[in-house]
Amino acid sequence: EVQLVESGGGLVKPGGSLRLSCAASGFTFSGYNMNWVRQAPGKGLEWVSSITGRGTYIYYADSVRGRFTISRDNAKNSLYLQLNSLGAEDTAIYYCARASNNWNYFDYWGQGTLVTVSS
Amino acid sequence: EIVLTQSPATLSLSPGERATLSCRASQSVSNYLAWYQQKPGQAPRLLIYDASNRATGIPARFSGGGSGTDFTLTIGSLEPEDFAVYYCQHRSNWFTFGQGTRLEIK
Repeated sequence: EVQLVESGGGLVKPGGSLRLSCAASGFTFSGYNMNWVRQAPGKGLEWVSSITGRGTYIYYADSVRGRFTISRDNAKNSLYLQLNSLGAEDTAIYYCARASNNWNYFDYWGQGTLVTVSS
Repeated sequence: EIVLTQSPATLSLSPGERATLSCRASQSVSNYLAWYQQKPGQAPRLLIYDASNRATGIPARFSGGGSGTDFTLTIGSLEPEDFAVYYCQHRSNWFTFGQGTRLEIK
């Protein structure tokens, strides 16, 4: 059974940093591209970042480029998102999501971790 | 950048009724469109991919159609657990979601 479990969310002050983690199990982690998708309170879904299976290629949404860093450790079956220079607009639930084989969709999602940016 | 527009924003129906949700793309996306269901407090779940293929474990009452710029998600006979928010999604330059349709109990 595919499982994705996020952790690391919490309350952080504007300008602060946070590191999110996603522990994966139930599939060959290195064989899949992985993603972060976020959802602000009461709002829709927003793609944040993606990383290919071996970490060779990395992509970011314009809204986070230069502030967020995605990475992975295939030996630990884990995905990470380093969040820096956080602002109120980054307050959201952050979901870890596995990409489908053709990389067009998100076929499995974690339960999410809440990041709140507030003074 | 492709924009996905969903309609209606809110759909009020009763259990047993048929639901039809729409997603319109600002330019052709061929059949590269997915639908997700999100219940309160839960993560989204993939329902339909490539416009008309049901994901693993999705009941047959869910069906998707369309191609090019106009797509529909149909729920044949609404069950109580189907009342949720539904999003369409496409990957062009990168991943884009529609703004969502809330399906509520009438």
